[in-house]
Amino acid sequence: NAGVTQTPKFRVLKTGQSMTLLCAQDMNHEYMYWYRQDPGMGLRLIHYSVGEGTTAKGEVPDGYNVSRLKKQNFLLGLESAAPSQTSVYFCASSYGLGRGGTEAFFGQGTRLTVV
Amino acid sequence: AQKVTQAQTEISVVEKEDVTLDCVYETRDTTYYLFWYKQPPSGELVFLIRRNSFDEQNEISGRYSWNFQKSTSSFNFTITASQVVDSAVYFCALREDTGFQKLVFGTGTRLLVSP
Repeated sequence: NAGVTQTPKFRVLKTGQSMTLLCAQDMNHEYMYWYRQDPGMGLRLIHYSVGEGTTAKGEVPDGYNVSRLKKQNFLLGLESAAPSQTSVYFCASSYGLGRGGTEAFFGQGTRLTVV
Repeated sequence: AQKVTQAQTEISVVEKEDVTLDCVYETRDTTYYLFWYKQPPSGELVFLIRRNSFDEQNEISGRYSWNFQKSTSSFNFTITASQVVDSAVYFCALREDTGFQKLVFGTGTRLLVSP
């Protein structure tokens, strides 16, 4: 049981390049989240998804897009990377609260550097 | 709006001291969930506890205890007889039971326990 898996773990991009971060979960969770972690800023929610085909904006959505074509996968895209997007990105998943209100399970993180 | 405040940026203690990490939250919902996570130096996010808004009982788990007070919108975390292995960043989080059930984190408190 892998839980939540993020790919890649590390990446260096040049300004203006694009990339996609992949998050996969094998727990049949409805909810999936993308966060970024910056020093002193905690975990800030970028986008999240409440089920296949449904996504919503979080606190810091600008410059990112997401897609959830399959329940187990949640993709985070950077169309034109900027140095301000240098961060550690975490993906998480959870059940909906109607199913008992569980905690979110996190991936190991992706360290992205934009130069 | 949903918000979590962890006013203590960093706390330093000597081993065996007791330490309390503060968490204050804001929500308009009557049903919500609060969480604490630990992020050790290795970087992963580890779930510690969940508490729903209808359960104000304090909880103790070994050296860890949590004090939930709805009257002051606080969910504080106390470590008794701290150990070096407790050194980590600790995050408090809030999930409302309405709308898209967004999961929002505080900025975290870094705890340094020295021998």
